[in-house]
Amino acid sequence: QQQVKQSPQSLIVQKGGIPIINCAYENTAFDYFPWYQQFPGKGPALLIAIRPDVSEKKEGRFTISFNKSAKQFSLHIMDSQPGDSATYFCAASMNNFNKFYFGSGTKLNVKP
Amino acid sequence: GAGVSQSPRYKVAKRGQDVALRCDPISGHVSLFWYQQALGQGPEFLTYFQNEAQLDKSGLPSDRFFAERPEGSVSTLKIQRTQQEDSAVYLCASSKEGGNQPQHFGDGTRLSIL
Repeated sequence: QQQVKQSPQSLIVQKGGIPIINCAYENTAFDYFPWYQQFPGKGPALLIAIRPDVSEKKEGRFTISFNKSAKQFSLHIMDSQPGDSATYFCAASMNNFNKFYFGSGTKLNVKP
Repeated sequence: GAGVSQSPRYKVAKRGQDVALRCDPISGHVSLFWYQQALGQGPEFLTYFQNEAQLDKSGLPSDRFFAERPEGSVSTLKIQRTQQEDSAVYLCASSKEGGNQPQHFGDGTRLSIL
């Protein structure tokens, strides 16, 4: 049973577009939600993370929106660039348990 | 080093052979994690160390998988009597002490079992 469900599986946008990737979870004990970016042959790299006491967090062109009541959170990439083409993973964890539960990933292709 | 280092980057083994994968975490990071990433999937948790203590091994798929971190720094993931379904990328991550710390990943070891 997947703890974090991610969609879409793949996404194609034009340069300058705003791709949106969505994740949903069931376990209300989750209290930390990071997003990772992974390029082929590389390990996941942390992009941005949010805790459930805020509804939005922005770092550069990346924004997380968090809806605690719906148990959903999403990643928005503003002014997307071809260099953003990668696979994005959402994850969730609980404070007392250090392991991350990852979504299944979204492969993003930003066309020039 | 500046980041998490894993070796080897690629490992090919015949079914039934034993393999050992190494992880060098970021200096000073207390917590160390192993994940397994199948092709086209997200990483799945295998095991977690705090210093030399293995606090969670609930994700290890079978007793053929064994991990250790004897001095609280370098860690080794060992897979005995490898099977084809063990083929995957094995990722190591480390983090500072405390709950919900960012985990920093290495580039992984791609294991192929023939």
